[in-house]
Amino acid sequence: DIQMTQSPSSLSASVGDRVTITCRASQVISNYLAWFQQKPGKAPKSLVFAASNLHDGVPSRFSGSGFGTDFTLTISNLQPEDSATYYCQHYNNDPRTFGQGTKVEIK
Amino acid sequence: EVQLVESGGGLVQPGGSLRLSCAASGFIFSDHYMDWVRQAPGKGLEWVGRARNKANGYNTDYAASVRGRFTISRDDSRTSLYLQMNSLKIEDTAVYYCVKSSGSPRYFDCWGQGTLVTVSS
Repeated sequence: DIQMTQSPSSLSASVGDRVTITCRASQVISNYLAWFQQKPGKAPKSLVFAASNLHDGVPSRFSGSGFGTDFTLTISNLQPEDSATYYCQHYNNDPRTFGQGTKVEIK
Repeated sequence: EVQLVESGGGLVQPGGSLRLSCAASGFIFSDHYMDWVRQAPGKGLEWVGRARNKANGYNTDYAASVRGRFTISRDDSRTSLYLQMNSLKIEDTAVYYCVKSSGSPRYFDCWGQGTLVTVSS
């Protein structure tokens, strides 16, 4: 199985900051990488697919990049509503596996 | 608007069975692969399995942790997805999400609100 490792596990930042979350796959996955946002008590929301493509309706302050094994999710101009846990996930093969999550808090 | 509404969760004893349903609307259900993903309380996300579409033989795929105990099925005429869970274990306690997949290879694009399954004596 492909292991997905996110860092950091948590971070605290101020409104307006630029935040970067990294995700590393244990083997090459091309660009078959997705990012999800989950707020407490809610279902995950799909943010990014194919490493850098935003789903419809996702604010442009979110961006994704990477290829192979190393990926990043960047939130520029952090907003209060971005407080959530973010997960990466590969879809290169089965089983689809997720990173452990990164909790983003607003100072 | 895509809507995925899960139902059927509840409290069940270890070794018991439960059937979850997911009612889909707002898209051409028969065209899409559909997946189940679960999340144990306070934990991360775990892929459970999928039902492929008619063009791909309605084949199913499962995570190793549920293979042989869980069965995924779909009824395109009812635009519904199902998860039959047998021989339930305490570690199957989780919120179960129905997820619509798109693209090739398939990525998750829309999630239901989830239904809680609690396995406890």
